Amino acid sequence: QVQLVQSGAEVKKPGASVKVSCKASGYIFTDYFIQWVRQAPGQGLEWMGRINPNSGGTNYAKKFQGRVTMTRDTSISTAYMELSRLRSDDTAVYYCARRIVARPNGMDVWGQGTTVTVSS
Amino acid sequence: DIQMTQSPSSLSASVGDRVTITCRASQSISSYLNWYQQKPGKAPNLLIYLASSLQSGVPSRFSGSESGTDFTLTISSLQPEDFATYYCEQSYSIPVTFGQGTRLEIK
Repeated sequence: QVQLVQSGAEVKKPGASVKVSCKASGYIFTDYFIQWVRQAPGQGLEWMGRINPNSGGTNYAKKFQGRVTMTRDTSISTAYMELSRLRSDDTAVYYCARRIVARPNGMDVWGQGTTVTVSS
Repeated sequence: DIQMTQSPSSLSASVGDRVTITCRASQSISSYLNWYQQKPGKAPNLLIYLASSLQSGVPSRFSGSESGTDFTLTISSLQPEDFATYYCEQSYSIPVTFGQGTRLEIK
């Protein structure tokens, strides 16, 4: 079945980096953007950016530019999101989700989420 | 960036009630508006895409409509499993933006 499976929870110190993976299965990886959305505790959804797995092209939210890097490995249908210079307010659940490249429909499949805790 | 203003921020209702949640875009987004449901500790789930198209597997009591830059999610008859938080999202332009969310609680 179609699914996105994310890597496990992380605990990091301020100033460190974290890299979260998102493995796709059950569909053609290159037909769908992988979007990254985060949710701080008790807060709403925040879009971080997206990657086109076919071209590798990325778009990042201004807030994260310079700190976030999204990559992919098409040989294993996996996307990655790396966030550097972590701060305590980066503590959140990080989700990957897919959206078809051909048309900006909704994000129809989501990963289970990866909890990132930033604490000294 | 396009701002999405969602209202109300919270809502109390009873099983069987008809409920509407509204999202207003700060500029035209054509019909590129999506609705998600999120339950505690779970990832969001797509309900409606392109303003009024029902995602496969979603019950028909959920519907979406639009009027200009105003978008509405309607639940025709609330069921116990519908108590959750709902978000709108515009996919018209980058950056994608979400509404603040509407928490639907049991009265």
